[in-house]
Amino acid sequence: GAVVSQHPSWVICKSGTSVKIECRSLDFQATTMFWYRQFPKQSLMLMATSNEGSKATYEQGVEKDKFLINHASLTLSTLTVTSAHPEDSSFYICSARRSGSWDEQFFGPGTRLTVL
Amino acid sequence: QQQVKQSPQSLIVQKGGISIINCAYENTAFDYFPWYQQFPGKGPALLIAIRPDVSEKKEGRFTISFNKSAKQFSLHIMDSQPGDSATYFCAASMTNAGNMLTFGGGTRLMVKP
Repeated sequence: GAVVSQHPSWVICKSGTSVKIECRSLDFQATTMFWYRQFPKQSLMLMATSNEGSKATYEQGVEKDKFLINHASLTLSTLTVTSAHPEDSSFYICSARRSGSWDEQFFGPGTRLTVL
Repeated sequence: QQQVKQSPQSLIVQKGGISIINCAYENTAFDYFPWYQQFPGKGPALLIAIRPDVSEKKEGRFTISFNKSAKQFSLHIMDSQPGDSATYFCAASMTNAGNMLTFGGGTRLMVKP
């Protein structure tokens, strides 16, 4: 159990276009999902917390109008990178929190975004 | 402000040896300490986790040692194997703060055959 999927696994787009990344918890419901960004050989940087049915909470320095997050159901959160630029190229990873005695977070496989 | 400091940044261990990775935290309100394993191009996978009410937790070859007074915790990988070669991240979170994880900087482990 506790499987989280992401789609697509990789995407290449032109500068100025928008890209949507989906994060799904496959075998559990997640009222809270998290979006991270990871640069090569670096740790994960939390971008935002996605709460089902409410607005996402963004970390300091993350532009909410550029990184649109929608958590429409208990198993799906989406991250849309709007008007992407080459500096947005990165590895985006989501996680889903499984409620229980430990409230564990399980991560998706990540999405490699390359903006040309 | 880096609230979780991880060391070493990289580690080379011979097959069969013990790999030890250390983390130190500052916020005494943290009450959940997981370790994640990440292979290149993949998302982190939860390896083992501990809460501050115990000093040690063991799952197979992986053991977490926790020292509450020193605000430190470590991961021990016994009988290290080449397949254990990956990047390991410690993390910490607070139950009453949305369980947001604060990650350490990561340790790149290489186990030589």
